[in-house]
Amino acid sequence: DVKVTQSSRYLVKRTGEKVFLECVQDMDHENMFWYRQDPGLGLRLIYFSYDVKMKEKGDIPEGYSVSREKKERFSLILESASTNQTSMYLCATLGGEFASYEQYFGPGTRLTVT
Amino acid sequence: DQQVKQNSPSLSVQEGRISILNCDYTNSMFDYFLWYKKYPAEGPTFLISISSIKDKNEDGRFTVFLNKSAKHLSLHIVPSQPGDSAVYFCAAGGNTGNQFYFGTGTSLTVIP
Repeated sequence: DVKVTQSSRYLVKRTGEKVFLECVQDMDHENMFWYRQDPGLGLRLIYFSYDVKMKEKGDIPEGYSVSREKKERFSLILESASTNQTSMYLCATLGGEFASYEQYFGPGTRLTVT
Repeated sequence: DQQVKQNSPSLSVQEGRISILNCDYTNSMFDYFLWYKKYPAEGPTFLISISSIKDKNEDGRFTVFLNKSAKHLSLHIVPSQPGDSAVYFCAAGGNTGNQFYFGTGTSLTVIP
Protein backbone atom coordinates (compact mmCIF):
# COMPACT_ATOMS: atom_id res chain seq x y z
CA ASP A 1 0.00 0.00 0.00
CA VAL A 2 1.11 3.50 -0.79
CA LYS A 3 1.83 5.54 2.26
CA VAL A 4 1.87 9.33 2.18
CA THR A 5 2.78 11.07 5.41
CA GLN A 6 2.64 14.73 6.30
CA SER A 7 4.82 16.19 9.00
CA SER A 8 2.07 17.71 11.11
CA ARG A 9 -1.66 17.12 11.49
CA TYR A 10 -2.27 20.50 13.13
CA LEU A 11 -0.15 23.63 13.00
CA VAL A 12 -0.64 27.12 14.40
CA LYS A 13 1.59 29.91 13.12
CA ARG A 14 1.70 33.66 13.41
CA THR A 15 1.30 36.11 10.55
CA GLY A 16 4.63 36.72 8.82
CA GLU A 17 6.25 33.47 9.90
CA LYS A 18 7.90 31.19 7.36
CA VAL A 19 6.13 27.84 7.38
CA PHE A 20 7.34 24.49 6.08
CA LEU A 21 4.96 21.63 5.35
CA GLU A 22 6.64 18.33 4.61
CA CYS A 23 5.30 15.38 2.65
CA VAL A 24 6.96 12.00 2.30
CA GLN A 25 5.88 9.04 0.17
CA ASP A 26 7.23 5.52 0.17
CA MET A 27 6.24 4.24 -3.27
CA ASP A 28 8.76 5.85 -5.59
CA HIS A 29 6.05 7.84 -7.37
CA GLU A 30 7.26 10.44 -9.83
CA ASN A 31 4.47 12.94 -9.35
CA MET A 32 3.65 14.80 -6.17
CA PHE A 33 1.09 17.50 -5.51
CA TRP A 34 0.12 20.08 -2.93
CA TYR A 35 -3.53 21.11 -2.61
CA ARG A 36 -5.47 23.24 -0.23
CA GLN A 37 -9.03 22.45 0.71
CA ASP A 38 -11.44 25.18 1.72
CA PRO A 39 -15.20 24.98 2.32
CA GLY A 40 -17.15 25.63 -0.86
CA LEU A 41 -13.98 25.69 -2.97
CA GLY A 42 -12.99 22.04 -3.01
CA LEU A 43 -9.41 21.02 -3.64
CA ARG A 44 -7.27 23.57 -5.40
CA LEU A 45 -3.85 22.76 -6.75
CA ILE A 46 -1.01 24.92 -5.45
CA TYR A 47 2.04 23.26 -7.03
CA PHE A 48 3.02 19.90 -8.41
CA SER A 49 6.27 18.18 -9.24
CA TYR A 50 6.86 15.48 -11.82
CA ASP A 51 10.49 14.79 -10.94
CA VAL A 52 13.26 15.77 -8.55
CA LYS A 53 13.96 19.49 -8.74
CA MET A 54 11.10 19.93 -11.23
CA LYS A 55 8.00 21.90 -10.32
CA GLU A 56 4.98 23.39 -11.99
CA LYS A 57 2.57 26.02 -10.72
CA GLY A 58 -0.98 24.98 -10.14
CA ASP A 59 -4.00 27.21 -9.96
CA ILE A 60 -3.12 29.17 -6.81
CA PRO A 61 0.68 29.37 -6.37
CA GLU A 62 0.81 32.93 -5.03
CA GLY A 63 2.38 33.12 -1.59
CA TYR A 64 3.78 29.60 -1.81
CA SER A 65 6.92 27.90 -3.01
CA VAL A 66 7.97 24.25 -3.13
CA SER A 67 11.08 22.14 -2.94
CA ARG A 68 11.77 18.64 -4.19
CA GLU A 69 15.36 17.65 -3.53
CA LYS A 70 14.64 13.94 -3.19
CA LYS A 71 12.08 11.85 -5.01
CA GLU A 72 10.25 10.82 -1.86
CA ARG A 73 9.94 14.26 -0.31
CA PHE A 74 7.97 17.31 -1.44
CA SER A 75 7.91 20.42 0.72
CA LEU A 76 5.49 23.32 0.63
CA ILE A 77 6.79 26.63 1.91
CA LEU A 78 4.75 29.62 2.95
CA GLU A 79 7.27 32.43 2.67
CA SER A 80 5.37 34.82 4.93
CA ALA A 81 2.22 33.29 6.36
CA SER A 82 -0.98 35.30 6.17
CA THR A 83 -4.39 34.71 7.70
CA ASN A 84 -5.90 33.88 4.29
CA GLN A 85 -3.59 30.87 4.16
CA THR A 86 -5.45 29.27 7.03
CA SER A 87 -6.63 26.05 5.42
CA MET A 88 -6.35 22.28 5.17
CA TYR A 89 -3.28 21.34 3.14
CA LEU A 90 -3.20 18.00 1.38
CA CYS A 91 -0.25 16.28 -0.26
CA ALA A 92 -0.79 13.63 -2.93
CA THR A 93 1.24 11.35 -5.17
CA LEU A 94 0.59 9.74 -8.53
CA GLY A 95 2.53 7.19 -10.47
CA GLY A 96 3.90 3.70 -10.23
CA GLU A 97 4.67 0.71 -12.38
CA PHE A 98 1.08 0.28 -13.51
CA ALA A 99 0.48 3.94 -14.06
CA SER A 100 -3.01 5.02 -13.31
CA TYR A 101 -4.53 8.34 -12.56
CA GLU A 102 -5.38 7.59 -8.95
CA GLN A 103 -3.82 10.01 -6.55
CA TYR A 104 -2.87 8.90 -3.06
CA PHE A 105 -3.38 11.52 -0.40
CA GLY A 106 -1.79 12.14 2.93
CA PRO A 107 -3.93 12.79 6.02
CA GLY A 108 -3.67 16.55 5.66
CA THR A 109 -2.29 19.39 7.75
CA ARG A 110 -4.75 21.80 9.30
CA LEU A 111 -2.88 25.13 9.34
CA THR A 112 -4.14 28.09 11.31
CA VAL A 113 -2.44 31.45 10.86
CA THR A 114 -3.21 33.96 13.58
CA ASP B 1 -12.67 29.34 -13.73
CA GLN B 2 -14.05 26.13 -12.26
CA GLN B 3 -13.57 23.37 -14.82
CA VAL B 4 -15.26 20.73 -12.68
CA LYS B 5 -18.45 21.53 -10.82
CA GLN B 6 -20.52 19.77 -8.22
CA ASN B 7 -23.63 21.85 -7.89
CA SER B 8 -25.09 20.07 -4.86
CA PRO B 9 -23.14 20.88 -1.70
CA SER B 10 -25.07 18.31 0.29
CA LEU B 11 -27.34 15.30 -0.08
CA SER B 12 -29.31 13.27 2.47
CA VAL B 13 -30.51 9.75 1.72
CA GLN B 14 -32.19 7.03 3.74
CA GLU B 15 -30.20 3.89 4.42
CA GLY B 16 -30.84 1.27 1.75
CA ARG B 17 -31.89 3.77 -0.91
CA ILE B 18 -29.87 4.99 -3.88
CA SER B 19 -27.52 7.95 -3.60
CA ILE B 20 -26.81 9.86 -6.81
CA LEU B 21 -24.02 12.40 -6.85
CA ASN B 22 -23.53 14.58 -9.89
CA CYS B 23 -20.59 16.32 -11.51
CA ASP B 24 -20.27 18.54 -14.58
CA TYR B 25 -17.15 19.53 -16.45
CA THR B 26 -16.33 22.04 -19.14
CA ASN B 27 -13.11 20.83 -20.78
CA SER B 28 -13.72 18.34 -23.58
CA MET B 29 -10.03 17.36 -23.44
CA PHE B 30 -10.54 15.53 -20.15
CA ASP B 31 -10.28 11.81 -20.75
CA TYR B 32 -10.23 10.34 -17.27
CA PHE B 33 -12.61 10.90 -14.38
CA LEU B 34 -12.39 9.82 -10.77
CA TRP B 35 -14.41 9.92 -7.59
CA TYR B 36 -12.81 10.31 -4.19
CA LYS B 37 -14.33 9.95 -0.76
CA LYS B 38 -13.22 12.02 2.19
CA TYR B 39 -13.94 11.59 5.87
CA PRO B 40 -13.31 14.50 8.28
CA ALA B 41 -9.68 14.88 9.35
CA GLU B 42 -8.51 12.40 6.71
CA GLY B 43 -7.17 12.75 3.19
CA PRO B 44 -9.37 11.78 0.23
CA THR B 45 -9.27 8.16 -0.86
CA PHE B 46 -9.86 6.90 -4.35
CA LEU B 47 -13.24 5.29 -4.92
CA ILE B 48 -13.86 4.59 -8.60
CA SER B 49 -12.83 5.90 -12.00
CA ILE B 50 -13.84 5.86 -15.64
CA SER B 51 -12.05 6.63 -18.86
CA SER B 52 -13.67 8.59 -21.64
CA ILE B 53 -13.90 5.54 -23.87
CA LYS B 54 -16.50 4.04 -21.53
CA ASP B 55 -19.88 5.22 -20.37
CA LYS B 56 -20.21 3.07 -17.27
CA ASN B 57 -17.97 1.47 -14.69
CA GLU B 58 -19.18 -0.60 -11.79
CA ASP B 59 -17.47 -1.72 -8.60
CA GLY B 60 -19.68 -3.38 -6.06
CA ARG B 61 -22.22 -0.89 -4.75
CA PHE B 62 -20.63 1.96 -6.70
CA THR B 63 -21.30 2.78 -10.35
CA VAL B 64 -20.03 5.76 -12.28
CA PHE B 65 -21.81 6.92 -15.43
CA LEU B 66 -20.26 9.22 -18.02
CA ASN B 67 -22.22 11.24 -20.55
CA LYS B 68 -19.60 12.88 -22.77
CA SER B 69 -22.04 14.79 -24.92
CA ALA B 70 -23.48 16.45 -21.82
CA LYS B 71 -20.08 16.67 -20.10
CA HIS B 72 -21.66 15.07 -17.08
CA LEU B 73 -20.81 12.21 -14.78
CA SER B 74 -22.61 10.73 -11.86
CA LEU B 75 -21.87 8.35 -9.03
CA HIS B 76 -24.56 5.92 -7.91
CA ILE B 77 -24.34 4.17 -4.57
CA VAL B 78 -26.78 1.29 -4.11
CA PRO B 79 -27.72 0.46 -1.42
CA SER B 80 -26.54 3.41 0.62
CA GLN B 81 -25.10 2.66 4.05
CA PRO B 82 -24.42 4.96 7.03
CA GLY B 83 -20.67 4.39 6.54
CA ASP B 84 -20.99 6.05 3.15
CA SER B 85 -21.56 9.38 4.89
CA ALA B 86 -18.63 11.50 3.73
CA VAL B 87 -17.69 14.24 1.30
CA TYR B 88 -17.38 13.05 -2.30
CA PHE B 89 -15.17 14.82 -4.80
CA CYS B 90 -15.15 14.25 -8.52
CA ALA B 91 -11.95 14.91 -10.46
CA ALA B 92 -11.12 15.13 -14.14
CA GLY B 93 -7.98 15.23 -16.23
CA GLY B 94 -5.69 12.78 -17.99
CA ASN B 95 -5.06 14.63 -21.20
CA THR B 96 -3.96 17.78 -19.43
CA GLY B 97 -0.56 16.73 -18.26
CA ASN B 98 -0.32 15.74 -14.65
CA GLN B 99 -2.93 18.13 -13.39
CA PHE B 100 -6.32 16.93 -12.29
CA TYR B 101 -9.16 19.28 -11.52
CA PHE B 102 -11.41 18.69 -8.55
CA GLY B 103 -14.98 19.68 -7.91
CA THR B 104 -16.11 21.45 -4.76
CA GLY B 105 -17.46 18.30 -3.16
CA THR B 106 -20.85 16.95 -2.11
CA SER B 107 -21.45 16.04 1.51
CA LEU B 108 -23.49 12.84 1.64
CA THR B 109 -25.41 11.90 4.77
CA VAL B 110 -26.98 8.47 4.91
CA ILE B 111 -29.68 8.38 7.56
CA PRO B 112 -30.08 5.06 9.41
